[in-house]
Amino acid sequence: DAGVIQSPRHEVTEMGQEVTLRCKPISGHNSLFWYRQTMMRGLELLIYFNNNVPIDDSGMPEDRFSAKMPNASFSTLKIQPSEPRDSAVYFCASSLTRGQGPNEKLFFGSGTQLSVL
Amino acid sequence: DAKTTQPPSMDCAEGRAANLPCNHSTISGNEYVYWYRQIHSQGPQYIIHGLKNNETNEMASLIITEDRKSSTLILPHATLRDTAVYYCIVRVYNFNKFYFGSGTKLNVKP
Repeated sequence: DAGVIQSPRHEVTEMGQEVTLRCKPISGHNSLFWYRQTMMRGLELLIYFNNNVPIDDSGMPEDRFSAKMPNASFSTLKIQPSEPRDSAVYFCASSLTRGQGPNEKLFFGSGTQLSVL
Repeated sequence: DAKTTQPPSMDCAEGRAANLPCNHSTISGNEYVYWYRQIHSQGPQYIIHGLKNNETNEMASLIITEDRKSSTLILPHATLRDTAVYYCIVRVYNFNKFYFGSGTKLNVKP
């Protein structure tokens, strides 16, 4: 199994530009999570999907951020327009969720290092 | 939101057991304790989880106190590759969410 695949690994852009981060979850997993990690705030949950439907986006910082999951094997996180304070590592994670069962484990990708100049 | 308290850092000698504590005094009866670790620049990695009984797997052991207000992750024979940030997480029952706190930076020294 290839694990959770994120692209790109590194992204450098200028303030005001649109940024799109991509994620391919593990095949068969039905939940997908986007996290952001910074030195100041640690790992923050931004949004999570279950069966391609956004369940909780309360962690999305503002309207400049949007996430989609058009099918079970692909998700995007978009920032438009980007700002320097968006610089962070963005992680995607997936899991197999069976109701409220106790055995869900998150599997993380390698992350995208975003730098907004 | 993290509901857990961990020391910011710990040292451990290579080959010795590393015991990482976590306080979760407000844990509910149906909430699980999970441990993850993050090696520099990588995504967090699952280690172990439990409800109220002690658990052991190939990576580590998890000891949960009888009142469930605290737990300890034990790496029985720490190696240099175990140097990482270790996160103790209480899984929120009614949502499939994992909140990561500040974690403990474990430094394994030769």
